[in-house]
Amino acid sequence: DAKTTQPTSMDCAEGRAANLPCNHSTISGNEYVYWYRQIHSQGPQYIIHGLKNNETNEMASLIITEDRKSSTLILPHATLRDTAVYYCIVRVGGSQGNLIFGKGTKLSVKP
Amino acid sequence: DSGVTQTPKHLITATGQRVTLRCSPRSGDLSVYWYQQSLDQGLQFLIQYYNGEERAKGNILERFSAQQFPDLHSELNLSSLELGDSALYFCASSLDRGVANEKLFFGSGTQLSVL
Repeated sequence: DAKTTQPTSMDCAEGRAANLPCNHSTISGNEYVYWYRQIHSQGPQYIIHGLKNNETNEMASLIITEDRKSSTLILPHATLRDTAVYYCIVRVGGSQGNLIFGKGTKLSVKP
Repeated sequence: DSGVTQTPKHLITATGQRVTLRCSPRSGDLSVYWYQQSLDQGLQFLIQYYNGEERAKGNILERFSAQQFPDLHSELNLSSLELGDSALYFCASSLDRGVANEKLFFGSGTQLSVL
């Protein structure tokens, strides 16, 4: 079962930062938070993941609260091509765990 | 390009038939995962194989089976197909070095249509 809660949909203006929230209040100390996105019917694309420290890569930033019960994915300058469903996933089962997808957030970037 | 190859991209068949979906993982990846995505169910985890052996099972029907071969490619077999089996089937792979923070890389999927 998915252990995360995300808003169903969000809008963002092109060029602005998109901030996608995720609640994972039952997360355990050694469980990582992953973010993936799916554009149309393509395969899910990895974005970023983290344990407790904030993370940044070329695609996005991940801000995890100190209590680890929630996180925010930040796309610093959203483009129309960032329109997708964004999934926040807590990977259970440690190194042998798989990703259990929830319903995600449909992000619509508008001109 | 994720490096995960799935074939065929599209498959159209009739109810009651049997099909095989194929997945070639990224070079060096030991784990293969299968997911089903239908319009009303979202992405559902089906099964995971690690180095040829089944590691985890999700919402996989008894009519479905999978295997991972010595060269690490995997096949998902779907039999006695029903209309409701129409869906996108994704394969993913990971290196699986035994650490908890590995990424899964997904293929582009096989679109199965059962008529």
